[in-house]
Amino acid sequence: EPEVTQTPSHQVTQMGQEVILRCVPISNHLYFYWYRQILGQKVEFLVSFYNNEISEKSEIFDDQFSVERPDGSNFTLKIRSTKLEDSAMYFCASRRQGYNSPLHFGNGTRLTVT
Amino acid sequence: AQTVTQSQPEMSVQEAETVTLSCTYDTSESDYYLFWYKQPPSRQMILVIRQEAYKQQNATENRFSVNFQKAAKSFSLKISDSQLGDAAMYFCAYRSALANNNDMRFGAGTRLTVKP
Repeated sequence: EPEVTQTPSHQVTQMGQEVILRCVPISNHLYFYWYRQILGQKVEFLVSFYNNEISEKSEIFDDQFSVERPDGSNFTLKIRSTKLEDSAMYFCASRRQGYNSPLHFGNGTRLTVT
Repeated sequence: AQTVTQSQPEMSVQEAETVTLSCTYDTSESDYYLFWYKQPPSRQMILVIRQEAYKQQNATENRFSVNFQKAAKSFSLKISDSQLGDAAMYFCAYRSALANNNDMRFGAGTRLTVKP
């Protein structure tokens, strides 16, 4: 069964550095998402992406965040200048067309900002 | 904005017994979708079950079933014959059916412990 894949599984970076989290959604999916989960807390929506543009973003997704689909397969989340509070698990998800289609999640990237 | 509330931070159940996890949500929309996701220690998010709001019949997936009460905006998950592998965080999630609002909102989660 096809899966959403995320790399790396764990990223350690220093405060102020830029990080790029990478995701390869399921190939025939059209909607892409990033969520984050601070340790022990709820899963929070960051951004959704469809038809090569952001369709919705949360208040968390400020100017420090950006997403890109540079080619036909990758979907990236960039954090320009990381802060300590950006430390979290970041999940990529995708789904196919259809309102009732569920999100398929990757295994996540654990980002640690020191 | 839609909110999802899981009022039970932790639950425990004896192996082979039945447990019900609660979820309520707040929305002004009439058409939407509800989901339960499981997050084991591996941290992967795994879909357990989903329900379309326009369907009156409660969804069932093997040992997992829901009690969907649209008027009460309640969507509880029942796990029958609990197994050790069911131990995980369980997240309830809501997604609107509106075309321009396609993200999913999660509750805070319920940590389920299964006792042997």
